[in-house]
Amino acid sequence: GAGVSQSPSNKVTEKGKDVELRCDPISGHTALYWYRQSLGQGLEFLIYFQGNSAPDKSGLPSDRFSAERTGGSVSTLTIQRTQQEDSAVYLCASSKEWRETQYFGPGTRLLVL
Amino acid sequence: AQKVTQAQTEISVVEKEDVTLDCVYETRDTTYYLFWYKQPPSGELVFLIRRNSFDEQNEISGRYSWNFQKSTSSFNFTITASQVVDSAVYFCALYNTNAGKSTFGDGTTLTVKP
Repeated sequence: GAGVSQSPSNKVTEKGKDVELRCDPISGHTALYWYRQSLGQGLEFLIYFQGNSAPDKSGLPSDRFSAERTGGSVSTLTIQRTQQEDSAVYLCASSKEWRETQYFGPGTRLLVL
Repeated sequence: AQKVTQAQTEISVVEKEDVTLDCVYETRDTTYYLFWYKQPPSGELVFLIRRNSFDEQNEISGRYSWNFQKSTSSFNFTITASQVVDSAVYFCALYNTNAGKSTFGDGTTLTVKP
C-alpha cells in the first residue's frame, strides 16, 4: 500500500503475556519510528531505526520492550510480560531519511487486562 | 533534557474565528527541528509542518500559519477562519537531531463549533 501499515489494529491480552506489534513502513523509507500514546503519558517517542540499526534505545520504557527491524523494512515491537500500564496506542512512522517528514500508521491499540 | 509545553489544554472557537495554538520548547541543542501534527477524531496522526532551527522565516500554508521565534523558544500555530473540520488535537514536537529523539507536547484539543 501507499502508507504505513500496522498490525494488528487491536490487541487484547492478559497481564503477563508477550505481544508482538508489526509495522510495515512506506517502501523506500530508510527511517522507522515507534511511539506510543496513552492517557497517562501522552505521546511518547520509543525508538527509531535508521536502516536496521537503532542508534538510541533509551526511549524504551523498560527492558520488557524490544524492537527490531530486518531487511531495512518491517519492524516488530515486542513487549514481554505485559503489564496493565502498557495499555496504549502504539504508533509507527517512517520517513525517507531520519530527518525528514514522518508519515504515521493508524496505530495498534493494545489493551492489557 | 528537552521539553515541549503546550499550555492550552483545550480551546473552543466558533467557525470562522482565528485561533492560535501556543508551543514553547526547551532544548540545549543548537540544531533541532520543530513539528506540528494534527490528530483528528479518527486518531491517525497527520504531519502539518517541520521547521529547522536555523530557519526563522514564518510560513503560511492556506489557512495555516506558523510563527517561529527562537528568541522566545516558541513555535505558535495559527488557523485563520477556522472550520469545523479543524477540530482535532494538535501536537507540537521537538526533534533532537543528534539522538533522533522526539519530544511531544501534551497536545491542545481544538473544538470548532458551527
